[in-house]
Amino acid sequence: GNSVTQMEGPVTLSEEAFLTINCTYTATGYPSLFWYVQYPGEGLQLLLKATKADDKGSNKGFEATYRKETTSFHLEKGSVQVSDSAVYFCALSGLTGGGNKLTFGTGTQLKVEL
Amino acid sequence: GAVVSQHPSWVICKSGTSVKIECRSLDFQATTMFWYRQFPKQSLMLMATSNEGSKATYEQGVEKDKFLINHASLTLSTLTVTSAHPEDSSFYICSARLAVYNEQFFGPGTRLTVL
Repeated sequence: GNSVTQMEGPVTLSEEAFLTINCTYTATGYPSLFWYVQYPGEGLQLLLKATKADDKGSNKGFEATYRKETTSFHLEKGSVQVSDSAVYFCALSGLTGGGNKLTFGTGTQLKVEL
Repeated sequence: GAVVSQHPSWVICKSGTSVKIECRSLDFQATTMFWYRQFPKQSLMLMATSNEGSKATYEQGVEKDKFLINHASLTLSTLTVTSAHPEDSSFYICSARLAVYNEQFFGPGTRLTVL
């Protein structure tokens, strides 16, 4: 079946530091890949997505490239801000019998300090 | 656009009672909605897929009779936790699929606490 593995947190960074959150996946076929962000007490918000190999998703300074050869979709940001503190979930969407379902990683908590 | 709401945002109930949670797509129609459960500091676990006008499809290990799902219209799905117990306390999140984008939009979640 489909699965997503992402690095454990929490990740603590100073403001303006470079961020990488690793994500690898296992899936049959050609899934779409997503990064979601969850701020404290809130639901998930789509941060970015990529639907095919070599696509780069980007939003709010965050980027991730769909690497089929390494089955990865690592999230990066060149300079984080305190307001980026949240939990980040990597996910994939693929046809699995019952239709398009999202499979999530366990989430990585990011804390950005001044 | 593509806003999903949930009501209530939080609820506290006594053990043995039933609780209904609503999920609404406010500005689009959704033939498919999803219900997730999230434990503290853990990922979202899909509970069931709710299809308008038909029975929900439950994931393995989810009790159909305990978590009743109704998707009576293209903008509303409800999850009823029947005979709730403290172990049902969790954060329940719904999402609605916008077909044209083949993308799920998530509600803000409902925090259920069973005493």
